[in-house]
Amino acid sequence: DAGVTQSPTHLIKTRGQQVTLRCSPKSGHDTVSWYQQALGQGPQFIFQYYEEEERQRGNFPDRFSGHQFPNYSSELNVNALLLGDSALYLCASSDSSYNSPLHFGNGTRLTVT
Amino acid sequence: AQTVTQSQPEMSVQEAETVTLSCTYDTSENNYYLFWYKQPPSRQMILVIRQEAYKQQNATENRFSVNFQKAAKSFSLKISDSQLGDTAMYFCAFMMNYGGSQGNLIFGKGTKLSVKP
Repeated sequence: DAGVTQSPTHLIKTRGQQVTLRCSPKSGHDTVSWYQQALGQGPQFIFQYYEEEERQRGNFPDRFSGHQFPNYSSELNVNALLLGDSALYLCASSDSSYNSPLHFGNGTRLTVT
Repeated sequence: AQTVTQSQPEMSVQEAETVTLSCTYDTSENNYYLFWYKQPPSRQMILVIRQEAYKQQNATENRFSVNFQKAAKSFSLKISDSQLGDTAMYFCAFMMNYGGSQGNLIFGKGTKLSVKP
């Protein structure tokens, strides 16, 4: 049973560019959450998708957007990249039942130069 | 707004000994969850233990147990019989209980635990 998979594992982009990160949830899960983890910090919640809609959002600018597909996989898009967007981006999935715990992927390391 | 504070940036322990990691949090709410997550060098966040705020009994998972003091807003993790594989970053996290799927976790800055042979 595959867990949460994220691609790519590493990515280097230039300031001002746009980037798309991808996440496939654990089998049986229908909810996907995204987190940003800066170096030496704990993860910060970006947003959560359920039934192809953004259900919750953290304190991130509109440059951060997402999408969820009918097969529950998800994308995180970041426009107009800033140096401060360099971080580990973690995807977590769960099912929509009460008390379902989050399962995390191994993350995508994004470096903005 | 809820906050989570981990006051120990780094800790070390000898193999087979016991270590306690500290966490305090701030909230005016009454219905929430608290978690400890482990993040090894592989980067994957792994759930270690979960506590529901309305349960007075402290959660236990094998060698891992918590000391949940709701009035003091304290949530410490005790690791017994430490093993080399316990070496990792440990994060304390808070989540409001609105029912339904979990999502908006608020994490502390983490404690780096090293288990020495």
